[in-house]
Amino acid sequence: GNSVTQMEGPVTLSEEAFLTINCTYTATGYPSLFWYVQYPGEGLQLLLKATKADDKGSNKGFEATYRKETTSFHLEKGSVQVSDSAVYFCAHHNDYKLSFGAGTTVTVRA
Amino acid sequence: NAGVTQTPKFQVLKTGQSMTLQCAQDMNHEYMSWYRQDPGMGLRLIHYSVGAGITDQGEVPNGYNVSRSTTEDFPLRLLSAAPSQTSVYFCASRAGSYGYTFGSGTRLTVV
Repeated sequence: GNSVTQMEGPVTLSEEAFLTINCTYTATGYPSLFWYVQYPGEGLQLLLKATKADDKGSNKGFEATYRKETTSFHLEKGSVQVSDSAVYFCAHHNDYKLSFGAGTTVTVRA
Repeated sequence: NAGVTQTPKFQVLKTGQSMTLQCAQDMNHEYMSWYRQDPGMGLRLIHYSVGAGITDQGEVPNGYNVSRSTTEDFPLRLLSAAPSQTSVYFCASRAGSYGYTFGSGTRLTVV
């Protein structure tokens, strides 16, 4: 079946540290892959996406590359800020739905 | 502002009560869906609709009903609330293959 597994949190970092959140998926076919971000008290916002193998999605300094050979879509940011504190969800789209990972809570300290 | 509007934002129910969570979008999206968010489980799809008059079940449909009489509205009905339905509920609509827009959520507590 379709599923998404992402690194468990919580993750606590200092400002300007490097952030990586691992995400792997199982799916039939070649789904589109996403990272969503949820700030406290808000709904989900699309952070970045990739629709085919080797695509790199990027936004707000975050990047993720669609790796078909390892079925992965790891999220990275080279220098985090306090404003990056949020819950991050990896997801893939197949058929008529998004399948989400469990979410990773990231806290960035000044 | 264009987007997905959910009401209410917060709700407390007693076990056995029924209620309807409202969701409306003004973007003329054909696809709408309901998710629930629980700690450590991400978001799970409850029901979805690909257009007015068409609905289908997601991963966790038990205890919930939906209908889609208009393109704009997609209400979620809890028939007889149970403590296991305590959760945060998100409505989402979609344009094209993956342009999802999420509402700000309804936090429901069943006591």
